[in-house]
Amino acid sequence: AQKITQTQPGMFVQEKEAVTLDCTYDTSDPSYGLFWYKQPSSGEMIFLIYQGSYDQQNATEGRYSLNFQKARKSANLVISASQLGDSAMYFCAMRFNTNAGKSTFGDGTTLTVKP
Amino acid sequence: NAGVMQNPRHLVRRRGQEARLRCSPMKGHSHVYWYRQLPEEGLKFMVYLQKENIIDESGMPKERFSAEFPKEGPSILRIQQVVRGDSAAYFCASSPKEGQGSPLHFGNGTRLTVT
Repeated sequence: AQKITQTQPGMFVQEKEAVTLDCTYDTSDPSYGLFWYKQPSSGEMIFLIYQGSYDQQNATEGRYSLNFQKARKSANLVISASQLGDSAMYFCAMRFNTNAGKSTFGDGTTLTVKP
Repeated sequence: NAGVMQNPRHLVRRRGQEARLRCSPMKGHSHVYWYRQLPEEGLKFMVYLQKENIIDESGMPKERFSAEFPKEGPSILRIQQVVRGDSAAYFCASSPKEGQGSPLHFGNGTRLTVT
């Protein structure tokens, strides 16, 4: 069975500093995609970044980068130069070609950016 | 280019009533997924539909819950005889294809409160 684990229920970071949100996963399927979503207090789910299991390079999208360590089965999200608007819940998710394409989500990490 | 549209945004029902949640996927997306989010938790998969077909309903409770995605019109998640434990945020997501490399695009969710 596939499982996503986010071990940090809550994180604090000072504005303008970088922060790493942890995500580990468990699967025996060699082919999968890893995603991060942001859920601000308004409730919507916003797609941030994607990493394919066969991608050689770590994904980057603006201030977001994904530290992908396949052997350790981890896909940590790094947010550089934190902004107050980054305060939100962050979810790591995994998706497969099999399993009807449905995504499995972690329980999330609440990030608070302090001024 | 409208995103995934869910309505209503908030829904209040008394115990025993029926709740109908609607979802119109993004234009060009034929894959629809419903997720449930309890307070302070991650998203739990409920059901995956394509037009007129339920592909995977392994996350749906066996009783009182049903979903459809008719040839014309939005996808509907129906909860009959609601109970307090049904109170949650229900998210609909769509994607253009099933594969691992395609992120889910989420609607803003319907927050169901059962009194």
